[in-house]
Amino acid sequence: AQSVTQPDIHITVSEGASLELRCNYSYGATPYLFWYVQSPGQGLQLLLKYFSGDTLVQGIKGFEAEFKRSQSSFNLRKPSVHWSDAAEYFCAVGAGYSTLTFGKGTMLLVSP
Amino acid sequence: DVKVTQSSRYLVKRTGEKVFLECVQDMDHENMFWYRQDPGLGLRLIYFSYDVKMKEKGDIPEGYSVSREKKERFSLILESASTNQTSMYLCASSLQGSSYNEQFFGPGTRLTVL
Repeated sequence: AQSVTQPDIHITVSEGASLELRCNYSYGATPYLFWYVQSPGQGLQLLLKYFSGDTLVQGIKGFEAEFKRSQSSFNLRKPSVHWSDAAEYFCAVGAGYSTLTFGKGTMLLVSP
Repeated sequence: DVKVTQSSRYLVKRTGEKVFLECVQDMDHENMFWYRQDPGLGLRLIYFSYDVKMKEKGDIPEGYSVSREKKERFSLILESASTNQTSMYLCASSLQGSSYNEQFFGPGTRLTVL
């Protein structure tokens, strides 16, 4: 069975600093990988996704993620964090026909 | 603008009540999903449906049932609500086919069972 691990429950970053959120997955085949963001009181919004091709994927809001098969990782990055990026971030792996398996999430706090 | 709507943002029910959570999407998507979100546990799939009147159990279906009579509407039913079903419930929809297809989420219903 597939699984996703997000090792960091909370991360605090200063505004303007760079960000990296970690995600490790376990899946037997070539994975579909996703990052979603959930702002307070909102549903989830897709930031980016990966299936094949270039291992560096660009998403919305200035985010990018890099797929590393050898490390089973799909880490999310942003070069300069804005206060509006404070939210909860979920990594997910595509499993089977249509379903996704989500990680437990990482809460990003942005300090002034 | 594509949209998934959920009937209530907040709901308070009593133990033993029958509870209906409604979800409607306007994107003509074949797939619809119900998740439960709890702090520290992330999102867990309760049920999903890939067509009208079709349903599949997810990871935590116990205590829940679903109904999909029309393509755009997917209902989650708690037959006899219990306090351990207090949670945030998220509905999503996607196009049929690969799980690579983006899932679009509603804003969630925060259910409290007293």
